[in-house]
Amino acid sequence: EIVMTQSPATLSVSPGERATLSCRASQSVSSNLAWYQQKPGQAPRLLIYGASTRATGIPARFSGSGSGTEFTLTISSLQSEDFAVYYCQQYNNWHPTWTFGQGTKVEIK
Amino acid sequence: QLQLQESGPGLVKPSETLSLTCTVSGGSISSSSYYWGWIRQPPGKGLEWIGSIYYSGSTYYNPSLKSRVTISVDTSKNQFSLKLSSVTAADTAVYYCARLIAAVGLDPWGQGTLVTVSS
Repeated sequence: EIVMTQSPATLSVSPGERATLSCRASQSVSSNLAWYQQKPGQAPRLLIYGASTRATGIPARFSGSGSGTEFTLTISSLQSEDFAVYYCQQYNNWHPTWTFGQGTKVEIK
Repeated sequence: QLQLQESGPGLVKPSETLSLTCTVSGGSISSSSYYWGWIRQPPGKGLEWIGSIYYSGSTYYNPSLKSRVTISVDTSKNQFSLKLSSVTAADTAVYYCARLIAAVGLDPWGQGTLVTVSS
């Protein structure tokens, strides 16, 4: 079973600053990685898929990178609406199983 | 626009079976392009994938829950369902249904429904 580990658990950032979130897989997942944003009381929202492709309607300040076992989500200039919890998720194309990281909370500094 | 809506009891007694249904609107559950899945989130905690189903009925379960989970699909009603047996307080969570797009991810999600396990 592939384990996804996110760091840090909490990231304190001032509005307008850059935020960098990390996700590590216990074994290679190629580029089969997605990022989600979840705000309190809401369902998660797909941000990035294929490690680096923004989902429909996602602002350009969100970007993803990485492949294999190391992935990064970058928010270039944090807006007030970006303070939320972010999850990475790997998916196995050949056997549709899905594993989430434990999440990174981005909070206002 | 595709929408998903979870429904079912909000309170289940310990040792009983949790049953939820996800109704899909704005699109067909029989599309060969997608899987359909259940995800849960205990209060204040992270997301856990429960399992997925294809319209043909093929299922894939989280190994940690596999012995207690059954996911089924009813294409005539455009619905898929979750049954989780022998529940305990640890199964208290918000349960989400979602469309799974291969090589993409989970999109969209239902709004989620809180299920509490308590006597």
